[in-house]
Order: sequence, then C-alpha cells, then structure tokens
Amino acid sequence: IVMTQSPDSLAVSLGERATINCKSSQTILYNSDNKNYLAWYQQKLGQPPRLLIYWASTRESGVPDRFSGGGSGTDFTLTISSLQAEDVAIYYCQQYYSTPHTFGQGTKLEI
Amino acid sequence: QVQLVQSGAEVKKPGASVKVSCKASGYTFTTYAIHWMRQAPGQRLEWMGWINTGNGNTKYSPKFQGRVTITRDTSANTAYMDLSSLRSEDTAVYYCARDIGSWSVFDHWGQGTLVTVSS
Repeated sequence: IVMTQSPDSLAVSLGERATINCKSSQTILYNSDNKNYLAWYQQKLGQPPRLLIYWASTRESGVPDRFSGGGSGTDFTLTISSLQAEDVAIYYCQQYYSTPHTFGQGTKLEI
Repeated sequence: QVQLVQSGAEVKKPGASVKVSCKASGYTFTTYAIHWMRQAPGQRLEWMGWINTGNGNTKYSPKFQGRVTITRDTSANTAYMDLSSLRSEDTAVYYCARDIGSWSVFDHWGQGTLVTVSS
C-alpha cells in the first residue's frame, strides 16, 4: 500500500490551524472491526518519531488535544488546531492494515 | 519508564553484515512485539520486520527477506536486527520500536543507530 502525503511542506503562523493530508492507494478500513488502520507520527530534527494518533483518530496518551486525526477509507487528515512553536517537525502517516507496513513521505511543518 | 536503548553507530564495508541491538527496560519485554524500521537520508521511514518477543516468531518485509534476521534474547531483554550483504543504499538510521498492542503501532522508539556502508 502506497501512502502519499500532501503537501510536502507547509508554513503556518503561530496560533493558526495546520492540516496535513494522507492518502492510501487502497482502503485501510477493515470491515470486520470498522477501524481505519492508520497512525500519525511527529519527528523532530535528530530524534526518533513520536506516536501522535492511531486508529486514525485516537490520540496517544500525553499528546496535546490540539492534535486531531480524521478521515476514513483512503483519505485522512492530521489537524493541529493552534500551531505552537514546538510543533515544528516532519509528520508521517503510516498504515498498519497489511504488511509491509508503509509510511508516507512526510510533511515538513514550519512556522 | 519504558526505554529502548540501541547500540552505537557502525561503519561497514560493502558485502559485510551488521547487527544492531535494542535493549528494553521499564516493562515486561515478552509482552510487546518489537519492530525494526530504517530511514535513509532524506527518505521516508521503511518497515523492515518484527518479532514476537514471547515466542520468537518473525515476519519480514519482502524487500529485506533473505538479508535480515531479527532475534531476541529474553534473558537480556534485548532484540537484535542482523542485516547481511550490505550495500551503499543500506546507509541509514535504524530504529527499533515497541508495538503498542500487536497492531504494528509504535509507541516507544529507540534512539536510532546510524549504519554507514562505505568502501
């Protein structure tokens, strides 16, 4: 499954909304449990990725509520409602519907 | 607290093998699977495979099948990733990560190990 993110880079003002898109080449909604097998990660320079969201919209413990995920089937979004300086990073989506698990190419978020 | 600590950077010649370790602490090692990913410079993350730390079962990405071996030592709470027949394109940062619940969602990551393949 190919994961394609848009845009490749994004500049947003502090306090404004940032939206990142992720599209899968086939559905990652599993009919038997009605769950979307999609996760979002944040990677800051020189650090490993950090899990933000899984099941497309479930926020990981400790992740600020300004981060939210949405979408279903093949089209997904990560939204940061009010951008903070510490949100500067590259964001990746990942499908875990099938192996090999695959990641998007990343979206670089800047102020 | 949960920690995954990886072994240090490696420099290898083409054709050689590399073994990267990932020592877990702060939780019961055999309860959570460990996955391995890599990230070449400027590239997206690439999933390589995973190991069920309880029974040792593994699954690998077709891209790496035949070249990668993932093992674990439960007495040392450590997982290992062995990659053979190295080529320059294998130059990357290699990460281990814990599976949050056997779904292949990665809630804790190692710090990364840079493997450089160069003649």
